[in-house]
Amino acid sequence: QVQLVQSGAEVKKPGSSVKVSCKASGGTFSSHAISWVRQAPGQGLEWMGGITPSFGTANYAQKFQGRDTIIADESRSTVYMELSSLRSEDTAVYYCARDRTDGGNSYDAFDIWGQGTMVTVSS
Amino acid sequence: DIQMTQSPSSLSASVGDRVTITCQASQDISNYLNWYQQKPGKAPKLLIYDASNLETGVPSRFSGSGSGTDFTFTISSLQPEDIATYYCQQYDNLPLSFGGGTKVEIK
Repeated sequence: QVQLVQSGAEVKKPGSSVKVSCKASGGTFSSHAISWVRQAPGQGLEWMGGITPSFGTANYAQKFQGRDTIIADESRSTVYMELSSLRSEDTAVYYCARDRTDGGNSYDAFDIWGQGTMVTVSS
Repeated sequence: DIQMTQSPSSLSASVGDRVTITCQASQDISNYLNWYQQKPGKAPKLLIYDASNLETGVPSRFSGSGSGTDFTFTISSLQPEDIATYYCQQYDNLPLSFGGGTKVEIK
């Protein structure tokens, strides 16, 4: 069974960048899309973007376009999400999540989730 | 962007009660709708995909229905372990979007 293991918690200054990793183990990786979903404290879920490693092209929510970079390293079975120009509103738990459907460059249901990475932006 | 409106935002029910949550999309999304359960401090868990299909291993007391713009999620008999927040999510168009969530509590 595939597991997604994320990197640890981060504390960042406003204006800096953060890079969060999501490593897949125990199963297929490249043919399932991986998305990033964030959750601010006490708030709901927000899709940031995603990538299918075998295709290599990422999609982003317009809100994060230009500030967010998602890349996949197939050799390491790892997807990275880098968010730049951080502000206090970016304080959130960041989740990676795998698409249920194998194959295709599209997104549907998230059947496997990482454990979440808390990113705190504070001066 | 497609807006997903969930209601109610919270509810309180007794063990054994039937619980219903609704989700309305701002435009037709066919059956491209999923439901998740999230417990405090945990990642969301997929319960229902494609509006009405039960994910493997999920108890049969959970069900979903609907198509187009109006969807319903039901717990047929509320159990103490069902205390959580529930979210709908559309995948008809990018950006993917979630409803605001429904917090379910025991009365």
